[in-house]
Amino acid sequence: EIVLTQSPATLSLSPGERATLSCRASQSVSRYLVWHQQKPGQAPRLLIYDASNRATGIPARFSGSGSGTDFTLTISSLEPEDSAVYYCQQRVNWPLTFGGGTKVEIK
Amino acid sequence: QVQLVQSGAEVKKPGASVRVSCKASGYTFAGYGFSWLRQAPGQGLEWMGWISAYNGNTKYEQKFQDRVTMTTDTSTSTAYMELRSLGSDDTAMYYCARDQREPSAAGVFDLWGQGTLVTVSS
Repeated sequence: EIVLTQSPATLSLSPGERATLSCRASQSVSRYLVWHQQKPGQAPRLLIYDASNRATGIPARFSGSGSGTDFTLTISSLEPEDSAVYYCQQRVNWPLTFGGGTKVEIK
Repeated sequence: QVQLVQSGAEVKKPGASVRVSCKASGYTFAGYGFSWLRQAPGQGLEWMGWISAYNGNTKYEQKFQDRVTMTTDTSTSTAYMELRSLGSDDTAMYYCARDQREPSAAGVFDLWGQGTLVTVSS
């Protein structure tokens, strides 16, 4: 199974700052990498699919990049409502697997 | 309104089974599939398996292969997940998520249910 490693575990930034979240795969997933956002007490929400495609309704401040084994989720200018845990997930091979998550805290 | 509504919380004893339902509305049910996922308290997300609402094909995570069954009922636009032989480590929030109907495209969860808390306790 493909192991996804996310870093950092926690990111603490101020509103307006840029957040850069990393996801590294144990083997190539091509561009079949997905990002989800989960706020406390809520179900996850799809943010980005296939490395760089924003899902419907996702603000333009969220962007994804990468291919192969290294991927990045960037939040260009943090808003207070971006406080959440962000998970990457691969869909190139069964079983579908997730990274451990990065918690983004807004100061 | 496009949504997935899951059944309510369950409390089960070890060794029992649980069936969670996921009712879809606002879209063509058979045009998609479902993935089922779970999240233990304070932990990350774990994928359990996928089912096509188009033809009923399934793919299960190997660790659940022997004790999970996923089905769909097109007459009621409802997906079901049954997990048997429950243990305390099955205590988790269980989610259904809309996925693609073909296995080659699966893994894009564009709509999630609200979650069903399953507690396993003697």
